Amino acid sequence: DAKTTQPPSMDCAEGRAANLPCNHSTISGNEYVYWYRQIHSQGPQYIIHGLKNNETNEMASLIITEDRKSSTLILPHATLRDTAVYYCIVRAWALIIQGAQKLVFGQGTRLTINP
Amino acid sequence: DTGVSQDPRHKITKRGQNVTFRCDPISEHNRLYWYRQTLGQGPEFLTYFQNEAQLEKSRLLSDRFSAERPKGSFSTLEIQRTEQGDSAMYLCASSLARDLGGYTFGSGTRLTVV
Repeated sequence: DAKTTQPPSMDCAEGRAANLPCNHSTISGNEYVYWYRQIHSQGPQYIIHGLKNNETNEMASLIITEDRKSSTLILPHATLRDTAVYYCIVRAWALIIQGAQKLVFGQGTRLTINP
Repeated sequence: DTGVSQDPRHKITKRGQNVTFRCDPISEHNRLYWYRQTLGQGPEFLTYFQNEAQLEKSRLLSDRFSAERPKGSFSTLEIQRTEQGDSAMYLCASSLARDLGGYTFGSGTRLTVV
């Protein structure tokens, strides 16, 4: 798996956009970028994934740079409930389909939304 | 369907005792995963099943740990002769094979060994 690098912590004001960066400079062409978050005392929650195009869903947007070496998760209007640890993970699609690859979590970014 | 259910939510046990946790995945999900998470760390993979077959086990899964998924539905994780180092959150997740979407995790079972 390509290794990911995330800042250990970030703060954001409530109502503002939270932009969480992730570096994955060794990503290969068949690897997807996944984001999960974990709110205190809960299991991780899937947020979004993408390959090379920007993606948006009801939770967030994912912006992947053209060279795919980094990405940014955007929470457009952060609320206090978005306070959590956010994990960026890369996984190869072929191995996902085969079931030969599990999620490998790093330390993530601890995002604190301040009122 | 209410997602992935884990039981119990909390378990306190004395060192040396055996404990068993249960996970009920989303009904149509044929893949089931167990992870362990210690304080301040990200979850670590333990094992996974496709239907009833256990296809991969981590080196973290010592011989005191055993997992089953007898009919390809719910799964159990048993820890024998618990040690204080086993204290952690045990997370279960499920997914569909051949689906690029994310896993669905349960809320976990927090084990404290005293």
